[in-house]
Amino acid sequence: QVQLVESGGGAVQPGRSLRLSCAASGFTFRNYGMHWVRQAPGKGLEWVAIISSDGSSRDHTDTVRGRFTISRDNSRNTLYLQINSLRAEDTAVYYCAREEVQWLAGYYYYALDVWGQGTTVIVSS
Amino acid sequence: EIVLTQSPGTLSLSPGERATLSCRASQSVSSTCLVWYQQQPGQAPRLLIYGASTRATGIPDRFSGSGSGTDFTLTISRLEPEDFAVYYCQQFESSPPGTFGGGTKVEIK
Repeated sequence: QVQLVESGGGAVQPGRSLRLSCAASGFTFRNYGMHWVRQAPGKGLEWVAIISSDGSSRDHTDTVRGRFTISRDNSRNTLYLQINSLRAEDTAVYYCAREEVQWLAGYYYYALDVWGQGTTVIVSS
Repeated sequence: EIVLTQSPGTLSLSPGERATLSCRASQSVSSTCLVWYQQQPGQAPRLLIYGASTRATGIPDRFSGSGSGTDFTLTISRLEPEDFAVYYCQQFESSPPGTFGGGTKVEIK
């Protein structure tokens, strides 16, 4: 079945780095744009980053730009999020999600239709 | 950057009642770019509505979405026990593509 499985989270000290992974299965990974979304404890969803299906285009939210880098390896069906210079405010559950784009009646429709279960990052000294 | 403001923050209702959730955008959002999700405690979000009004696969018809421009609404016609959750709207209109509203919690009264 269609599935996304995140890994790589853990407890780390401020200033350190982590690389999160998201393994995709059950669909043609190279055909889809992918996103990272995070959720701090007790807070709402925060969009983090997007990468195009072929990896040629990417964007990050302002609060992480320069520290986080989204990437993908289509030969391994895997999405990544490199997180550097970790801060306490990066503590969150990190979800990867598939972007579904449909062309219907002359318009593009967008949604995140498949989500992983999340991986938890805790930044603490 | 488009900011999405959801209201109310919390909605206290009883099973069987109607829930009306609002999502207001700081700039106009194309209907095709407005999405609603449901999140249960400890779970990943689940796609409910895309294109402002189209139910995703498997979503019961008690869920409906409407609106255009800057004002969008998610309505749950008759609340079932499993509908008590947090609901988020999201826009894909402009960069950054994918910003979320702050969420509305629907709790049991």
